[in-house]
Amino acid sequence: DGGITQSPKYLFRKEGQNVTLSCEQNLNHDAMYWYRQDPGQGLRLIYYSQIVNDFQKGDIAEGYSVSREKKESFPLTVTSAQKNPTAFYLCASSKGTAETQYFGPGTRLLVL
Amino acid sequence: QKEVEQDPGPLSVPEGAIVSLNCTYSNSAFQYFMWYRQYSRKGPELLMYTYSSGNKEDGRFTAQVDKSSKYISLFIRDSQPSDSATYLCAMTNMDSNYQLIWGAGTKLIIKP
Repeated sequence: DGGITQSPKYLFRKEGQNVTLSCEQNLNHDAMYWYRQDPGQGLRLIYYSQIVNDFQKGDIAEGYSVSREKKESFPLTVTSAQKNPTAFYLCASSKGTAETQYFGPGTRLLVL
Repeated sequence: QKEVEQDPGPLSVPEGAIVSLNCTYSNSAFQYFMWYRQYSRKGPELLMYTYSSGNKEDGRFTAQVDKSSKYISLFIRDSQPSDSATYLCAMTNMDSNYQLIWGAGTKLIIKP
């Protein structure tokens, strides 16, 4: 089955800790995205990548980092600089930047 | 003022009713309009994709775009309890590099 997988489903972070969220797709899509969703708010773009080894900051990139070493993988690291990381994180991919975005099931990040 | 406004609800209607969900926007340059459905603790899934003005129908769902009023709608006919979810509108254009701008989502509850 083609699709997008995210892991883990739930993630707990301690103060001062960096954590990495996984996103993998087997749709052969060029573009991948990371969004943050908070209650009562729309999705906010953290980072996106249009091709391998290239990525751009979105609206709320501070405190986050990404890499795109393989076409199918786009991991997101939430660093200790992100002071309010509790949120639902969604990864998406699309054939190109103007194409429909398909979403993974999400990772819920909680702070201990 | 947000670029895309969407009433968060919740909107509660009886089973079988016609549902109308709406978004207003401020950027007249938006050309591509989408409706996504998101079940609780899941990733959004695309329901409807419309380019420019007009109507588009898919089964029980109809998407309507009125660019002169900067207003888009999603109609659901013969609503079912399984339609209970949060509905998110999103829109974009070439000037924004096709980055999606999201509404906050409307929570819809269909009562059996």
